[in-house]
Amino acid sequence: GENVEQHPSTLSVQEGDSAVIKCTYSDSASNYFPWYKQELGKRPQLIIDIRSNVGEKKDQRIAVTLNKTAKHFSLHITETQPEDSAVYFCAASMGGNTPLVFGKGTRLSVIA
Amino acid sequence: SAVISQKPSRDICQRGTSLTIQCQVDSQVTMMFWYRQQPGQSLTLIATANQGSEATYESGFVIDKFPISRPNLTFSTLTVSNMSPEDSSIYLCSVQRESYEQYFGPGTRLTVT
Repeated sequence: GENVEQHPSTLSVQEGDSAVIKCTYSDSASNYFPWYKQELGKRPQLIIDIRSNVGEKKDQRIAVTLNKTAKHFSLHITETQPEDSAVYFCAASMGGNTPLVFGKGTRLSVIA
Repeated sequence: SAVISQKPSRDICQRGTSLTIQCQVDSQVTMMFWYRQQPGQSLTLIATANQGSEATYESGFVIDKFPISRPNLTFSTLTVSNMSPEDSSIYLCSVQRESYEQYFGPGTRLTVT
């Protein structure tokens, strides 16, 4: 089955700097790659996603890139702010009615 | 997105007992999933809940321990049976509409003593 690896497990950046989180997946049939943000004590929240027919997607300060050949995708957060501090999870699925397989998460700390 | 509620939000239970968690969505959805999230860890899929058919369980999870019902397209329940302290965790339901996006309920924090 699908296996998703996520790096780094923790990341500290200065406010205003950029943060990059990387994930790799194993199943070439996967075609949907969402990112979730989870603040302490709250539910995971979908922040951006990308499908395999697209190489990059951007939404304000966040962007996701996908390299299907290498089977990896990345989350980029620019101009980080303290409220970006949270745990971020990447995931992969084959779309349709298939469930998500999650990476282990990255704890991002933005230092003011 | 979707408005998803779960009951109870938290509970403290004694070992050997069972707890049923409810998940309610504000509109019909095709797929519902149940996940477990242990403290400081990622989300692990327990099962996929299909309306009108039996749930599909992931490796390591069995129906006798985690029976699931899906009586209609807006509601599902997960029961944690014969609980032990190892079952202490957060249990989350998620829903998927016609598109690929999945949205999570607020979770049920379970502590087994």
